[in-house]
Amino acid sequence: DIQMTQSPASLSASLEEIVTITCQASQDIGNWLAWYQQKPGKSPQLLIHSATSLADGIPSRFSGSRSGTQYSLKISRLQVEDTGIYYCLQRYSNPPTFGGGTKLELK
Amino acid sequence: QVQLQQSGAELVKPGSSVKISCKASGYTFTSYDMHWIKQQPGNGLEWIGWIYPGNGNTKYNQKFNGKATLTADKSSSTAYMQLSSLTSEDSAVYFCARESITPYFDYWGQGVMVTVSS
Repeated sequence: DIQMTQSPASLSASLEEIVTITCQASQDIGNWLAWYQQKPGKSPQLLIHSATSLADGIPSRFSGSRSGTQYSLKISRLQVEDTGIYYCLQRYSNPPTFGGGTKLELK
Repeated sequence: QVQLQQSGAELVKPGSSVKISCKASGYTFTSYDMHWIKQQPGNGLEWIGWIYPGNGNTKYNQKFNGKATLTADKSSSTAYMQLSSLTSEDSAVYFCARESITPYFDYWGQGVMVTVSS
């Protein structure tokens, strides 16, 4: 199975700050990566797919990038509603695997 | 609009089985794969398997072979997952999620909490 190593595990940031979360794939997965946000008691919401494509209805302050097997999610100006847990997901091969999650809180 | 409505929380005894449902609406049920994902309290997300309701084809995470069985009823646009021989390790929230053409999981059910306890 492909391992997705996500960092940091938790993060505290201020309003309007730039936040970056990364996922390292254990092997080449091309652009077969998505990012999700999950709020307490809710199901995950798709933010980014295909490594860099913004999902429908997602604010443009969210962006995704790739450098080799490292993938990043950037929030350009952190808002109150951006708190939650963020997960990456690879869909290059079966089984699909998720990163361990990053808990984002407001400072 | 696309909606996935899952059944209610379950409290079940060790060694028993449980069947949870995911009723789809707002799209052609038979045209999209349906996936199932497990989330244990405080833990991350784990993929269980998928079913293509159009023909019933399934694929499972090896880890869940023999544990989970996926089915679908085209007449009611409902996907099901049965979990068998339940232990405390099966206590979790279980989500159904539709696979879009991208092919990521674009719509999710609200989740079903399954608690295994005597």
